Amino acid sequence: DAKTTQPPSMDCAEGRAANLPCNHSTISGNEYVYWYRQIHSQGPQYIIHGLKNNETNEMASLIITEDRKSSTLILPHATLRDTAVYYCIARGGGADGLTFGKGTHLIIQP
Amino acid sequence: GAVVSQHPSRVICKSGTSVKIECRSLDFQATTMFWYRQFPKKSLMLMATSNEGSKATYEQGVEKDKFLINHASLTLSTLTVTSAHPEDSSFYICSAWTSGRINEQFFGPGTRLTVL
Repeated sequence: DAKTTQPPSMDCAEGRAANLPCNHSTISGNEYVYWYRQIHSQGPQYIIHGLKNNETNEMASLIITEDRKSSTLILPHATLRDTAVYYCIARGGGADGLTFGKGTHLIIQP
Repeated sequence: GAVVSQHPSRVICKSGTSVKIECRSLDFQATTMFWYRQFPKKSLMLMATSNEGSKATYEQGVEKDKFLINHASLTLSTLTVTSAHPEDSSFYICSAWTSGRINEQFFGPGTRLTVL
């Protein structure tokens, strides 16, 4: 798995868009970018993943730069329930375990 | 999304006893399940990979005789912590990989183990 770098923490006001950056400069061509989040004392929750193109689902949008060396997860209208640790993981397809880094602790402020 | 359950959600046991944790995929079949461990304020660490009908593959440093894993069906994997000691106290989380999608893993809610 390619190494990823995320800021340790971020704050965002409730109702605003939360933009979480991730650097994965050594990502290889067949590796996807995955995002998971973990709310305190719960199991991680899958959010979204992508290879080259930007992706959107009901939870978030994923913007991947053209050179694929970085990406941004966007929560369009953050709520207090979005407070969690967000993990960016770069890896290939296949049934392999995930390598979690330290993630970004996102705190949504009322 | 796919649902993965774990039982029990929390367990307290005495040192030296064994504890079994179940992981079930409720609405899909999982050929591969994973077990992770998370210490307080730390990230998840992969312990082992469990494939239905075959022996589990353990990560380096994880004692296979201490953490027994059984994946007898496509919807159930169990982790047994044998002769538990206080240092085994942790948050144990399983995940299941759905075939047919590109490696989406769905996680269970976790089991909090406290060994006295």
